[in-house]
Amino acid sequence: KQEVTQIPAALSVPEGENLVLNCSFTDSAIYNLQWFRQDPGKGLTSLLLIQSSQREQTSGRLNASLDKSSGRSTLYIAASQPGDSATYLCAVINNAGNMLTFGGGTRLMVKP
Amino acid sequence: NAGVTQTPKFRVLKTGQSMTLLCAQDMNHEYMYWYRQDPGMGLRLIHYSVGEGTTAKGEVPDGYNVSRLKKQNFLLGLESAAPSQTSVYFCASNPQLVGETQYFGPGTRLLVL
Repeated sequence: KQEVTQIPAALSVPEGENLVLNCSFTDSAIYNLQWFRQDPGKGLTSLLLIQSSQREQTSGRLNASLDKSSGRSTLYIAASQPGDSATYLCAVINNAGNMLTFGGGTRLMVKP
Repeated sequence: NAGVTQTPKFRVLKTGQSMTLLCAQDMNHEYMYWYRQDPGMGLRLIHYSVGEGTTAKGEVPDGYNVSRLKKQNFLLGLESAAPSQTSVYFCASNPQLVGETQYFGPGTRLLVL
């Protein structure tokens, strides 16, 4: 059974700092990996999707990397801003494409 | 284009009561999903549908039933609510099963007393 773990569970940083969120998964037979953002009381918004054949994806100040063989992904946020405060979730889709497994999330607080 | 909407936003039930959660999407997506989110556990897949008239079990299907009579709607039913079903329920959809991101609704907060 696929298990996805995110470390740390919570993180507080001052504005302007670069930061890295970690995601690990136990079964490397994945189709893709996605990073989502969730604001309090809201649904999930997709940030980045990395196909299993890719190593990284970039969108603005966000960069996600994937090392499928070691079962790891990182989300790098450059020059963090208070508006980045949210919970960040990673999720993997199995090769059959019918099961999305989520990590528990990292709650990020960026202080002005 | 409203995307994915969920009804109701919040509900309180007593143990043993029944209710139906409605998910609607206006993006003509084939695939729809129901998840529950509990503190510290991320989201877990309850049931999903790959098209009108189809349903399949996810990771935690017990105590729930679903129906997809129309392509744009996906209903989640609780026949006899239990306190363990207190959670936030999210619906999602995507146009293709594999390789496409999922679009999420705003969630339904359910409290079972």
